[in-house]
Amino acid sequence: AQSVAQPEDQVNVAEGNPLTVKCTYSVSGNPYLFWYVQYPNRGLQFLLKYITGDNLVKGSYGFEAEFNKSQTSFHLKKPSALVSDSALYFCAVRPDQAAGNKLTFGGGTRVLVKP
Amino acid sequence: GAVVSQHPSWVICKSGTSVKIECRSLDFQATTMFWYRQFPKQSLMLMATSNEGSKATYEQGVEKDKFLINHASLTLSTLTVTSAHPEDSSFYICSAGSRTGYNSPLHFGNGTRLTVT
Repeated sequence: AQSVAQPEDQVNVAEGNPLTVKCTYSVSGNPYLFWYVQYPNRGLQFLLKYITGDNLVKGSYGFEAEFNKSQTSFHLKKPSALVSDSALYFCAVRPDQAAGNKLTFGGGTRVLVKP
Repeated sequence: GAVVSQHPSWVICKSGTSVKIECRSLDFQATTMFWYRQFPKQSLMLMATSNEGSKATYEQGVEKDKFLINHASLTLSTLTVTSAHPEDSSFYICSAGSRTGYNSPLHFGNGTRLTVT
């Protein structure tokens, strides 16, 4: 069975500083990995995905993530955080086996960017 | 980009009544739709998977007679919370995937906040 762990419940960062949100995964086979962001009382918005190829993936709003197979990690990063990046972030995994489109989500990490 | 519309965005109902939530894919055919429940400050809990034209597959612990799911067309799935009780109050989110997009992201509705009084 696949699983995703986001070890930090909350990350605080000053505006303009780098932001990192951690994610590790466990899945048999090759993983499809995703990051989503959720603003209050809204659904999830897709940020980026890793399927195959380059380990550094660039996504929306200046976010990027690095796939590290040996560490089974897919940390989300942004070089310079904005106050508007304050939100709830979810990492998700889908195995490459025929399991439908079902995603397994991590517990979420709340990001607070202070001015 | 792909858009999923979820309606209503919020609803307040009395205990014992039923509430229907709609999830529509606006610009693509959604062969599969997922219904999630989210408690405050928690992650998404998958309730069920619905495939167009067939019965939904419910996750363990989710009462299928309580949460009725219908996916009658490639653009519409509905979740009906029957005989709602205060403990059913939650944030419900749908998501949709297309048959061509196994490695594509799911697209999410904006959620429905249900409050049962």
